[in-house]
Amino acid sequence: SQQGEEDPQALSIQEGENATMNCSYKTSINNLQWYRQNSGRGLVHLILIRSNEREKHSGRLRVTLDTSKKSSSLLITASRAADTASYFCATKIGGSEKLVFGKGTKLTVNP
Amino acid sequence: DAGVIQSPRHEVTEMGQEVTLRCKPISGHDYLFWYRQTMMRGLELLIYFNNNVPIDDSGMPEDRFSAKMPNASFSTLKIQPSEPRDSAVYFCASSPRVSGANVLTFGAGSRLTVL
Repeated sequence: SQQGEEDPQALSIQEGENATMNCSYKTSINNLQWYRQNSGRGLVHLILIRSNEREKHSGRLRVTLDTSKKSSSLLITASRAADTASYFCATKIGGSEKLVFGKGTKLTVNP
Repeated sequence: DAGVIQSPRHEVTEMGQEVTLRCKPISGHDYLFWYRQTMMRGLELLIYFNNNVPIDDSGMPEDRFSAKMPNASFSTLKIQPSEPRDSAVYFCASSPRVSGANVLTFGAGSRLTVL
């Protein structure tokens, strides 16, 4: 079963708008990561947030983590058509090096 | 660095045939992961290696699947015999040894179609 579940499954916005994607997970984590996948390509790492962090920024990306609610959100500000992709959260479970991915949010940014 | 290199990029084969997918991880990365991606099941971890040793193969679906890592720069995922339900995109990813935070670099994937 999936550890992380993204919400919504699909999101369509206009260029310039902000996009928010959410991820919920089931068990305690060491860190949570977000990846992007362009159509027909491999996943690319975007940002990592550790369990003792609440918020992290990287350029137009802002990630929050609420361990009490077992949830994270990814905000992309001032979206561009090039941001069109699927976005996945991934969690590392316990002492294992396994990184488990959710099913992703498909973001479409219309020019 | 050329990144994680996978081959072939596309493979079309008939049911019952043997399929071998190949991966060259980033030099110096200690971990190598094989994932499978389908619309229905999303991204599934099949197996991962640490320093060429298989650590967890609990995601390998059946005995028809096998993976090897004979050295630090090469890994294979073999399916024998292949079935239509094996059709998917198979990704290889590698990561360095960083305590508590393994960030994966993915290859471009191998799209397998079994007819």
